[in-house]
Amino acid sequence: GAVVSQHPSWVICKSGTSVKIECRSLDFQATTMFWYRQFPKQSLMLMATSNEGSKATYEQGVEKDKFLINHASLTLSTLTVTSAHPEDSSFYICSARGTVGASYEQYFGPGTRLTVT
Amino acid sequence: AQSVTQLGSHVSVSEGALVLLRCNYSSSVPPYLFWYVQYPNQGLQLLLKYTSAATLVKGINGFEAEFKKSETSFHLTKPSAHMSDAAEYFCAVSGSRNEKLTFGTGTRLTIIP
Repeated sequence: GAVVSQHPSWVICKSGTSVKIECRSLDFQATTMFWYRQFPKQSLMLMATSNEGSKATYEQGVEKDKFLINHASLTLSTLTVTSAHPEDSSFYICSARGTVGASYEQYFGPGTRLTVT
Repeated sequence: AQSVTQLGSHVSVSEGALVLLRCNYSSSVPPYLFWYVQYPNQGLQLLLKYTSAATLVKGINGFEAEFKKSETSFHLTKPSAHMSDAAEYFCAVSGSRNEKLTFGTGTRLTIIP
């Protein structure tokens, strides 16, 4: 139980285009989802927290207009990188917390590697 | 606010030897502490967690960690390293049930055959 999937696992896009990454909780309802960014050989940096049906809360320094987060249902959250640039290339990981396990436990997706050319 | 410090960005041990990965935390409230493992190009898998119950916590794959309040530490250990333990390990802390996780900088564990 408590499986989180991400799609796509790997995406290449051209500079200036937008790309959408999906995060799904497969066997539980995710009341809260988190989006992280991880640069090579570095730790995870929290970008934003989203609660189902509410606007996402972004961490300081994260451009909300560039990284659009939608959490429209209890099983799906999406991260859209708008007008992507090479510096947006990174590994993006989502996690979900909800109706499974302890209330504080986060379950992580496998990550999406974004390369902007 | 909470923070964690992982001493040693890279640790190498021989197969069969003791694994010790260090984590010290800072928290203004009783912390929730976690250890995660990450294999290349994958997400994070929870190894174990401390949530104010027993101070010695046993996790998956033979790992365990001991919460020491006096030392503000939560070091991860495994008695005998296996080749499959080679991965990146992250310590994380939160200050309450619903608070966000703050991650350490990670420790890359290499196992020498």
